[in-house]
Amino acid sequence: DSGVTQTPKHLITATGQRVTLRCSPRSGDLSVYWYQQSLDQGLQFLIQYYNGEERAKGNILERFSAQQFPDLHSELNLSSLELGDSALYFCASSVGDRQPGNTIYFGEGSWLTVV
Amino acid sequence: LAKTTQPISMDSYEGQEVNITCSHNNIATNDYITWYQQFPSQGPRFIIQGYKTKVTNEVASLFIPADRKSSTLSLPRVSLSDTAVYYCLVGVPTGTASKLTFGTGTRLQVTL
Repeated sequence: DSGVTQTPKHLITATGQRVTLRCSPRSGDLSVYWYQQSLDQGLQFLIQYYNGEERAKGNILERFSAQQFPDLHSELNLSSLELGDSALYFCASSVGDRQPGNTIYFGEGSWLTVV
Repeated sequence: LAKTTQPISMDSYEGQEVNITCSHNNIATNDYITWYQQFPSQGPRFIIQGYKTKVTNEVASLFIPADRKSSTLSLPRVSLSDTAVYYCLVGVPTGTASKLTFGTGTRLQVTL
């Protein structure tokens, strides 16, 4: 158990809908990262937050947004869902931002299926 | 943006040593190199991390040459339970910052 908690574990929704994925980082971790992994694909970086502020942006679609709250949990909002958005969405956390030796720990993922 | 590449797959027999290499010729100066193991439908699990030369822990070793353009994860005496996908994670420069980028992943199959 990495200590990173994601909910829900599984989610099925229809095209055009909007969903919110939630992440609680490990105790003491200030950074949260979101990654997307489609079937048999690699891990694509979406976005990173550090202590409530956006720090880095990857291949995140405009239909997607995220935020990190004062209690450090994070939410990833996916809207106008398309079939191609079906994927595993991972949250990860680390103590710091980008200092050397900063280890990132991953949650078990939220499996989104768009039908 | 240069890709971080790994062999697609590797096969090994139980008890052998396995070496998986990641090529990252555009790595950020200050970023570490981290390796993860992933089982199907599970989150990546941290294996080992290093900056240069050699790092060893209870499960693996990591070899990083002086130019840091590649890294090699070494798994001693693999078992069936080591069958998984292995990813390297490195920082790739993007302007004044860097972006953490996973390698393409290596699917390791261990058999008897």
